[in-house]
Amino acid sequence: SQTIHQWPATLVQPVGSPLSLECTVEGTSNPNLYWYRQAAGRGLQLLFYSVGIGQISSEVPQNLSASRPQDRQFILSSKKLLLSDSGFYLCAWSVEGYGYTFGSGTRLTVV
Amino acid sequence: RKEVEQDPGPFNVPEGATVAFNCTYSNSASQSFFWYRQDCRKEPKLLMSVYSSGNEDGRFTAQLNRASQYISLLIRDSKLSDSATYLCVVIPFSGGYNKLIFGAGTRLAVHP
Repeated sequence: SQTIHQWPATLVQPVGSPLSLECTVEGTSNPNLYWYRQAAGRGLQLLFYSVGIGQISSEVPQNLSASRPQDRQFILSSKKLLLSDSGFYLCAWSVEGYGYTFGSGTRLTVV
Repeated sequence: RKEVEQDPGPFNVPEGATVAFNCTYSNSASQSFFWYRQDCRKEPKLLMSVYSSGNEDGRFTAQLNRASQYISLLIRDSKLSDSATYLCVVIPFSGGYNKLIFGAGTRLAVHP
């Protein structure tokens, strides 16, 4: 069966520090991968999506970047965190664009 | 105008009540529709898809009105465990990937 792993579950980082969140998928090949962010009291916002290795599309201009070094690995990064980067970050995958499954999320607090 | 709009609630209902949520979407070419459930501080999980003819899954009924561009979720005989935030989700078009557009969610609190 397909599973998605996301870590860490919670993270507290100072302003200006770097960030690296990792997401891996098991049990499927060539999935579409996504990074979403949910700010407190708001809906999920799509940040990046990837349809294959090295293929990254950004939905909104921001302080973050994403990379897909392997078929089932998706990484979200920042060189210098801002206070506004705080939120709940969710990785998701789908195959042929259906049946979205989310990871358990990382709650990031920038202080 | 937001692409997907929901009443944030909260809807406070007693156990056993029937409650309905509506959601409107702005893109008339939208392809697919879903309801997700999100528990506090957890990831969203698919509750049910919404089909043009309407569909039912136990106590849950989802309906789509393309002419008016809204979808609805009806929950009958509410349980305490139904307390959560319900997210309306729309796929705006068909392409090489599917991009889910989420509403901000409607919070439901079921009390004894």
